[in-house]
Amino acid sequence: RKEVEQDPGPFNVPEGATVAFNCTYSNSASQSFFWYRQDCRKEPKLLMSVYSSGNEDGRFTAQLNRASQYISLLIRDSKLSDSATYLCVVIKRDNYGQNFVFGPGTRLSVLP
Amino acid sequence: NAGVTQTPKFRVLKTGQSMTLLCAQDMNHEYMYWYRQDPGMGLRLIHYSVGEGTTAKGEVPDGYNVSRLKKQNFLLGLESAAPSQTSVYFCASSYSKVTGGQDTQYFGPGTRLTVL
Repeated sequence: RKEVEQDPGPFNVPEGATVAFNCTYSNSASQSFFWYRQDCRKEPKLLMSVYSSGNEDGRFTAQLNRASQYISLLIRDSKLSDSATYLCVVIKRDNYGQNFVFGPGTRLSVLP
Repeated sequence: NAGVTQTPKFRVLKTGQSMTLLCAQDMNHEYMYWYRQDPGMGLRLIHYSVGEGTTAKGEVPDGYNVSRLKKQNFLLGLESAAPSQTSVYFCASSYSKVTGGQDTQYFGPGTRLTVL
């Protein structure tokens, strides 16, 4: 089983739609959680961190459920520019340092 | 600030050839990482470094070697390239002792490598 799993997608939604992505992680020692965005043939970029209390950044809302080891990302009022692959990321820390573990990504296409 | 840069951007190798990918960062970050990204697989960690002169293996280290002789540079070497190493390689860095931000990774633009 992969350490971080995501909805396989792709998600094709019309402009203005609300879309939700799910992510689960298997390592209960995971300590920090993020959503990254990756445009086609580009590098990943941080979209937002995910906090236990849930957090919002404009049209984007992230939720974390540590008990279920589940992370979500909600995008409201989708724009064409939201089309990208969304990567769920968790950090594991050990005595040596820290590792970022990436999910396989969920691709979103917002259609006019 | 250039952020994280990678050279080269593209490369085609023949099986058995060797090459070195260079990653440079100008953010005074302590940690640096090399990933490969293949379709449907997401980013997989090859090697990483938590400081100058230190390196550690990631999830898929076989066939690769790394060196971090200077804090700002992280080199990834392929000694004898194989077609299975055809991939997009991303370098990333994180964590400045001065500014903190331990949890944010900054990526380079990637190197597209094809091994024939």
